[in-house]
Amino acid sequence: DQQVKQNSPSLSVQEGRISILNCDYTNSMFDYFLWYKKYPAEGPTFLISISSIKDKNEDGRFTVFLNKSAKHLSLHIVPSQPGDSAVYFCAASGYGSARQLTFGSGTQLTVLP
Amino acid sequence: NAGVTQTPKFQVLKTGQSMTLQCAQDMNHEYMSWYRQDPGMGLRLIHYSVGAGITDQGEVPNGYNVSRSTTEDFPLRLLSAAPSQTSVYFCASNTGPHHNEQFFGPGTRLTVL
Repeated sequence: DQQVKQNSPSLSVQEGRISILNCDYTNSMFDYFLWYKKYPAEGPTFLISISSIKDKNEDGRFTVFLNKSAKHLSLHIVPSQPGDSAVYFCAASGYGSARQLTFGSGTQLTVLP
Repeated sequence: NAGVTQTPKFQVLKTGQSMTLQCAQDMNHEYMSWYRQDPGMGLRLIHYSVGAGITDQGEVPNGYNVSRSTTEDFPLRLLSAAPSQTSVYFCASNTGPHHNEQFFGPGTRLTVL
């Protein structure tokens, strides 16, 4: 049973518009959430994170929103650029040994010029 | 800094063969981890280490062994390869618990025939 779900395998957005990537989780013990970006033939790279004590965290064009009651988080990219085309993984961490990460299955974002 | 390096980049094995995937980091990170990425599954934690001489199991440890004799190196051993171990393997390191930013290597694509 997947504890972190990314229900949209793919998303296409026009350059300059907003990209919204969604992630749902089921484990109430998760209290830290991260987004990673992955280009083909490369390892994932950290993008942005948020603690459960916040509902929003912003870093440049990237903003992550957390809705704890709905167990839902989203990543907003504004404005979207062609270089943002990649697979985006949502990950969650909770209390436990070394705070292991549980990853979602990823969303392929394509930004069209 | 080279960051996290992995060798080999590609490998083909026959069922029953053994091999070691190499991982090294030059950032003096205490935590290191091995993940596998399968289509539609995201990244799943195989084994991790919180320091030299200390290792523990992740979500999918069966069929794999690890050891951590130095801070820099964290090899992953496949004892008797099976087709179910066909995957892309990523090594990662970070300064503390997993919810801290992890730095990933470029991955090893393994095919078991």
